[in-house]
Amino acid sequence: DGGITQSPKYLFRKEGQNVTLSCEQNLNHDAMYWYRQDPGQGLRLIYYSQIVNDFQKGDIAEGYSVSREKKESFPLTVTSAQKNPTAFYLCASSISSRGRGYGYTFGSGTRLTVV
Amino acid sequence: QKEVEQNSGPLSVPEGAIASLNCTYSDRGSQSFFWYRQYSGKSPELIMSIYSNGDKEDGRFTAQLNKASQYVSLLIRDSQPSDSATYLCAVNSNTGKLIFGQGTTLQVKP
Repeated sequence: DGGITQSPKYLFRKEGQNVTLSCEQNLNHDAMYWYRQDPGQGLRLIYYSQIVNDFQKGDIAEGYSVSREKKESFPLTVTSAQKNPTAFYLCASSISSRGRGYGYTFGSGTRLTVV
Repeated sequence: QKEVEQNSGPLSVPEGAIASLNCTYSDRGSQSFFWYRQYSGKSPELIMSIYSNGDKEDGRFTAQLNKASQYVSLLIRDSQPSDSATYLCAVNSNTGKLIFGQGTTLQVKP
């Protein structure tokens, strides 16, 4: 079955530590996205990628980094510069982000907690 | 003005009633409109998409679009407790990306 897989489901980060969240899709989608969701809040866009080897900052990119070396994979690194990283992180993909909008498919999310 | 606006709720309806969820958007050039359902602690799930003015029905769900009024709505007929969730409206922007509303929390009471 095609889908989008995020791992791990739960992640604990110590102060000053970098952590990487994995996102893999086998839907052959060109575009991929990372969102952050805080309790009771909407989705905030961190980074997005329209094509391999290219990505753009979203609304809250500070303290985060990404790479897009393969079409299937779009990992997100939460760096020590992100002072309040505790949140629910969602990865999504779509056929394209150009032209008419296409619906997104979301992964099951990673819940990150600072300890 | 937010690009996509929804009443955060909670919207409370009795079981079996019709739930009406509303969304307004600011970009007149938007062409694609989506409704997502998000259960507490879970990821959003696409339940409806609509691209043309009028109604689109899928089972108990009906999406309604009025581009002139920049308004999209979701009706849920015969609401069930299992419909209790947050419903996110999403609209495509001029860059192609989706812009999400903050979501409306629906509570269906037995």
